[in-house]
Amino acid sequence: AQKITQTQPGMFVQEKEAVTLDCTYDTSDQSYGLFWYKQPSSGEMIFLIYQGSYDEQNATEGRYSLNFQKARKSANLVISASQLGDSAMYFCAMRSHLTGANSKLTFGKGITLSVRP
Amino acid sequence: DTGVSQDPRHKITKRGQNVTFRCDPISEHNRLYWYRQTLGQGPEFLTYFQNEAQLEKSRLLSDRFSAERPKGSFSTLEIQRTEQGDSAMYLCASSSSDRTDYYGYTFGSGTRLTVV
Repeated sequence: AQKITQTQPGMFVQEKEAVTLDCTYDTSDQSYGLFWYKQPSSGEMIFLIYQGSYDEQNATEGRYSLNFQKARKSANLVISASQLGDSAMYFCAMRSHLTGANSKLTFGKGITLSVRP
Repeated sequence: DTGVSQDPRHKITKRGQNVTFRCDPISEHNRLYWYRQTLGQGPEFLTYFQNEAQLEKSRLLSDRFSAERPKGSFSTLEIQRTEQGDSAMYLCASSSSDRTDYYGYTFGSGTRLTVV
């Protein structure tokens, strides 16, 4: 079974500063993918970044980067130069890449990020 | 293609009534997923289709819940005899079975159900 843990309480960051959102995971699979999604108050889940378990480099997508530490089973999201529009819920998720495995995503409980002007 | 569409966006129903939600995935995506999200929680997997075949159902999907994807395109999720505990956001997502398309999960905006 797969499990995602997000335990941070609501996070606050000053506009233009960087913030790290924590995510740890548990799986017995050797091949898997890790995702971060943003969910604003409108409800839509917006894909931010993806990291494969065999990727040697940490993923980056614009202001988003993923600090992937495989041995520690952590996949923290770093948002640089925070903007007011970054205020939202952020979810870490994972899926197995085993052949024949269900491709569903398993989500954590999420973290609320508030960006202060 | 405008993405994954869900209808209705909001539904208020009385306890005991039946409700049906619709999801139209991205046309080239052959996989379709239903998730349920309660307030302050992450989405929980309900069920998953590849083309028209329902390949997995979560134990969260009680006998009152049924999902269909008759022609491998749109899907419906029906809840019979609704209960207050069914109040949640119901999210639909689609993806491609192409293993190189790891970015391919696209979510709809969800249907928010309130059972009164």
